[in-house]
Amino acid sequence: DSGVTQTPKHLITATGQRVTLRCSPRSGDLSVYWYQQSLDQGLQFLIQYYNGEERAKGNILERFSAQQFPDLHSELNLSSLELGDSALYFCASSADRGPYNEQFFGPGTRLTVL
Amino acid sequence: AQKVTQAQTEISVVEKEDVTLDCVYETRDTTYYLFWYKQPPSGELVFLIRRNSFDEQNEISGRYSWNFQKSTSSFNFTITASQVVDSAVYFCALIVYNQGGKLIFGQGTELSVKP
Repeated sequence: DSGVTQTPKHLITATGQRVTLRCSPRSGDLSVYWYQQSLDQGLQFLIQYYNGEERAKGNILERFSAQQFPDLHSELNLSSLELGDSALYFCASSADRGPYNEQFFGPGTRLTVL
Repeated sequence: AQKVTQAQTEISVVEKEDVTLDCVYETRDTTYYLFWYKQPPSGELVFLIRRNSFDEQNEISGRYSWNFQKSTSSFNFTITASQVVDSAVYFCALIVYNQGGKLIFGQGTELSVKP
């Protein structure tokens, strides 16, 4: 158990809908990262927050947004969902904002868009 | 641009065999970090090792060992005396110093260890 929690574990929804994925980092970790894992794209970095501020951005679609709250938990919002958004979404956390600390991953949220 | 290549998509071995997973990376930055993660069938990603670009010493942890060679831009992972529990997808990843914590992953190598 990495100490990173993600809810829900599974999510099934329809095209055009909006969903929110939630992540709680390990105790004391200030950085939260979101990654998407799909069969065709592999593991892709989406976005990083450090202590509430956006720190780094990857190939995150405009339909996706994230935020980190004062209690350090993070939410990833996915809107106008398409079939291609079906994937496993991971949250990770680390103590620092750079590469100095390893990232610990949560169990993931499996999103299925029908 | 940075890139990580794991040319071996799938490897199948019999228990107790040694196996090496290859990883080749590309970056023009001189300061970077390399990682290996394991993804067992249960799906979570488990951190195995981190290496910075200034430390080329090989590392051994039990049956696991890593060989980092800057001259060939490789960071290979060897499992000695493989076991069925080693069956998983293994990912090599790269972080460049000035890009926050953005992990750039290879495509992964699926290792199957048969009894």
